[in-house]
Amino acid sequence: KAGVTQTPRYLIKTRGQQVTLSCSPISGHRSVSWYQQTPGQGLQFLFEYFSETQRNKGNFPGRFSGRQFSNSRSEMNVSTLELGDSALYLCASSFRPQLNTEAFFGQGTRLTVV
Amino acid sequence: DQQVKQNSPSLSVQEGRISILNCDYTNSMFDYFLWYKKYPAEGPTFLISISSIKDKNEDGRFTVFLNKSAKHLSLHIVPSQPGDSAVYFCAAKEGGATNKLIFGTGTLLAVQP
Repeated sequence: KAGVTQTPRYLIKTRGQQVTLSCSPISGHRSVSWYQQTPGQGLQFLFEYFSETQRNKGNFPGRFSGRQFSNSRSEMNVSTLELGDSALYLCASSFRPQLNTEAFFGQGTRLTVV
Repeated sequence: DQQVKQNSPSLSVQEGRISILNCDYTNSMFDYFLWYKKYPAEGPTFLISISSIKDKNEDGRFTVFLNKSAKHLSLHIVPSQPGDSAVYFCAAKEGGATNKLIFGTGTLLAVQP
């Protein structure tokens, strides 16, 4: 069974631009979460989607947004990019939001802002 | 405020010996705990999990222990193998219908041949 697919794998953008990252969850999984990994802050939760609804949001500015489609695929968007947005962005897939369930991660998108 | 802490940034162990990775948490609402292994520039790989109603869970060479009163969990890897060398993250979930994970800062495990 295919795993979590994130595209693109690598991206270089200029300050002020915007970027859209994509995530296709494991087949049958309907919950998608996004995380940002930076050397200074570690792995930080961005947001969580289930059935096209945002269920939870982390402590990030409004420049970070996301959505989920009816086929459970998700996108996240970062507008007005800053140098500090350079990070590995990870998507995690789960069957549904519930306590005793594991999240499976994609390989991530490495975003570099110059 | 770091709710999940891994106080050892790195750990070096000989092949064949036991690796013990530790994790402390402060939020008493956490009900489910997970360990992930991560290589650079890749996504974390799920290893093992434990519910707060248990104190131990085993899966092959990996065992997780939970001491709820001390708000402490540990991952034991026996025997350690060079392929286990990676960064290990513990993560925690609050109760309820959410998949939001709070991660620790990670421990870099180096298994020496």
